[in-house]
Order: sequence, then C-alpha cells, then structure tokens
Amino acid sequence: GDSVTQMEGPVTLSEEAFLTINCTYTATGYPSLFWYVQYPGEGLQLLLKATKADDKGSNKGFEATYRKETTSFHLEKGSVQVSDSAVYFCALSDRANDYKLSFGAGTTVTVRA
Amino acid sequence: GAGVSQTPSNKVTEKGKYVELRCDPISGHTALYWYRQSLGQGPEFLIYFQGTGAADDSGLPNDRFFAVRPEGSVSTLKIQRTERGDSAVYLCASSLNTANTEAFFGQGTRLTVV
Repeated sequence: GDSVTQMEGPVTLSEEAFLTINCTYTATGYPSLFWYVQYPGEGLQLLLKATKADDKGSNKGFEATYRKETTSFHLEKGSVQVSDSAVYFCALSDRANDYKLSFGAGTTVTVRA
Repeated sequence: GAGVSQTPSNKVTEKGKYVELRCDPISGHTALYWYRQSLGQGPEFLIYFQGTGAADDSGLPNDRFFAVRPEGSVSTLKIQRTERGDSAVYLCASSLNTANTEAFFGQGTRLTVV
C-alpha cells in the first residue's frame, strides 16, 4: 500500500538558516504529493503540492520537487524565520485510494531568533 | 464560518463511555474524511464519505467506531465503549470533490479517555 517516510525530528535551526526535510514515498499508482504544516495551536494547512513528476510546488518561500526516479519530495527553504516553527507533514494521495491522504510521522521544526 | 468546524475541541470521558464527535464541513464540499492523530504521529485515515454514503471505512479500527453523514453535510463519529487507547486527536477534512482537490482540515477534537 501507499506509505510516506519523512526525516525524523526535532530540527532546531537559527533564523536565516537553510532548512531541508527529506520525504520519500511508496505508492502503487501515480500519486499527488503534499506538504502540510501545523503551526502551534492551529489546524493542518496545505503548504504546497505537486501532482506529477518533475512538478515543483512552492509557497511562502518553501519548495519541493516531485522526483519520480528517487520517489522523493524533499521540502526546502533557503532562509527560515521564527514564524516557520511548526510541525511539517509529508503526504500523498492516490486516485486508486479515493484520494485519501497517507501521512508521514511529521517533523517538528523550531527556529531560534 | 468559512472553514471546517469540529466540536467539541476537547473531550474527556471515562473508559467504557460512549462519545460523539461532530464535523461541520465547508458548505458545498461533497467529500468528507475522518483521520486520527496519535501523539507524535501523522494523521491516519479512518473513513471517507462521498455525499451521504461511507465510500471507504477501511480505516476504522474495530466495530466500536462508526460514523454517519445523514444529509450529506454534517458528520458524526461515534465511539462506543471507549478505551484508553482511543485517546488521540480526531481530525475531519472536507474537499469540494474527490478529484484531487485540496482537503481542508478542522482544528480537531482532542479525545482523552481516563
């Protein structure tokens, strides 16, 4: 079945540092890939998505590229801010599974001023 | 409101009791999903509705869990004879339809079974 494996945390960074969170997936079909973010005290929000191979999703300075050859969807940001402190979840959905989301375990990121 | 609304936000119940968790999706969204998030884990799929019918309930852990969506809008997740292992955050999400559109999540209900 579908599954997602993402880098374990927690990750602690200084402001303006480079952030990367690794994510790899296993899927039987041709999934869409997502990064969701959960800020403290808030619900899950879609951060970015990519629906086919070589697509790049981007939002709020974050980027991730759908790499079919390595089954990966790594999240990157060049210069993090304190406000980026959150839990980040990699996820996939597949038409064969009615587009229900399969999530990774989440990576907690803390950015220090 | 404009988003997915879940009530209550917190629920503490005694072991063996029955609980109901409510989800009010975004108006017009036909697809509704329930997920369960245990501490330190990502959300796990429970059940999916397309309109009034449960199209996929393969994620429900056992027959103590049941969910309904009688009018194709509000959904209720029902848990009978609660156990301490049921303690988790229960998340609801809705999307316009199932054709690969964005799922919007509610803030969740934190259930604690004591």
